Amino acid sequence: DSGVTQTPKHLITATGQRVTLRCSPRSGDLSVYWYQQSLDQGLQFLIQYYNGEERAKGNILERFSAQQFPDLHSELNLSSLELGDSALYFCASSDRDRGLYEQYFGPGTRLTVT
Amino acid sequence: QKEVEQDPGPLSVPEGAIVSLNCTYSNSAFQYFMWYRQYSRKGPELLMYTYSSGNKEDGRFTAQVDKSSKYISLFIRDSQPSDSATYLCAMTRRSNFGNEKLTFGTGTRLTIIP
Repeated sequence: DSGVTQTPKHLITATGQRVTLRCSPRSGDLSVYWYQQSLDQGLQFLIQYYNGEERAKGNILERFSAQQFPDLHSELNLSSLELGDSALYFCASSDRDRGLYEQYFGPGTRLTVT
Repeated sequence: QKEVEQDPGPLSVPEGAIVSLNCTYSNSAFQYFMWYRQYSRKGPELLMYTYSSGNKEDGRFTAQVDKSSKYISLFIRDSQPSDSATYLCAMTRRSNFGNEKLTFGTGTRLTIIP
């Protein structure tokens, strides 16, 4: 158990809908990262937050957004969902000094868009 | 061309064999090199990391980095059925903006045959 929690575990929704994925980092970790894993693209970095502030963006679509709250949990919002958004979404966390090489992943949320 | 290339396998070896997993990369700025293990329907689990070139050993696992060739390896000695998983290489570099995005290979699916 990495100490990172994600809810829900599974999510099935229809095209055009909006969903929110939630992540709670390990105790004490200030950085949160979101990744998308699909069969054809592998694991892709989406976005990073550090202590509430956006730190880096990767291949994140404009339909997707995220935020990190004062209690350090983070939410990833996916809107106008398309079939191609079906994937595993992982959250990872790290402490301030080790994010370059020690990111701990949660169990993921499996999103199915029908 | 992807920044990080990894043979997807699948790779099947008998129990007790030495396993060699490899990645090549194109970005010479990468400084930190990680190996993650991912069991089916689970989040990636950090196995070990290496900074710059050289070797690092942890139990049955040895990571090697050859920056001159842009080539990294993970060796598993005395392989066990519990080592059956997908192995992902990942790498990153330090930036002035605190960007800690990991770039992953697509993963190699490994099966250890009892």
